[in-house]
Amino acid sequence: EIVMTQSPATLSVSPGERATVSCRASQAVGRNVAWYQQKPGQALRLLIYDASTKATGIPARFSGSGSAADFTLTISSLQSEDFAVYYCQHYDNWPPRATFGQGTKVEIK
Amino acid sequence: QVQLQESGPGLVKPSETLSLSCAVSGASMRTSSSYWGWIRQPPGKGLEWIGTIFSGGAIFYNSSLQSRATISVDMSDSQVFLKLTSLTAADTADYFCAAGDYNIRWAFDVWGHGTLVIVSS
Repeated sequence: EIVMTQSPATLSVSPGERATVSCRASQAVGRNVAWYQQKPGQALRLLIYDASTKATGIPARFSGSGSAADFTLTISSLQSEDFAVYYCQHYDNWPPRATFGQGTKVEIK
Repeated sequence: QVQLQESGPGLVKPSETLSLSCAVSGASMRTSSSYWGWIRQPPGKGLEWIGTIFSGGAIFYNSSLQSRATISVDMSDSQVFLKLTSLTAADTADYFCAAGDYNIRWAFDVWGHGTLVIVSS
């Protein structure tokens, strides 16, 4: 079973600064990685799929990169609404089993 | 715009069976490219995928829950269901229903707000 390890667990960033969240897979997974944002009281939001493709309506400041076993979510200039918990997810090609990382909390510095 | 709304009992006793439903609105479930999943989150912890069901009928489960979980759909009533048997305190979690289509591979681009299930006597 593939394990997704996120780092750091908590990231303290000032508004306007760049935030970078990493996700490492226990083995090569191609580009089968998605990123989600979770905020209290709100439904989870898909940000990125296939490692770097932005989901519908996602602002340009969010970007994803990586392949094989190392993946990155970058928020280029943090806005107040971006302070949240971020999760990476791996999905197999077929069968489409899924594994999530443990989450990274992006908090205000 | 597809919307999902989970519902469930809130409190369940250990060893009992949990039954959850997810009402799908805003689009027909009969779209051939759709799939729906259940994901859970214990309090203060991360996300755990439970399983995914496809519009064509194929179902896949997390191997750690496969012996206890059953996912089904009723397309005529626009609902997705989850049954989880032999509950223990470790099954206490927010349970989320989510959906996607083949265009985004197996990611989920629509989520419900979740329903909290507490397993306690």
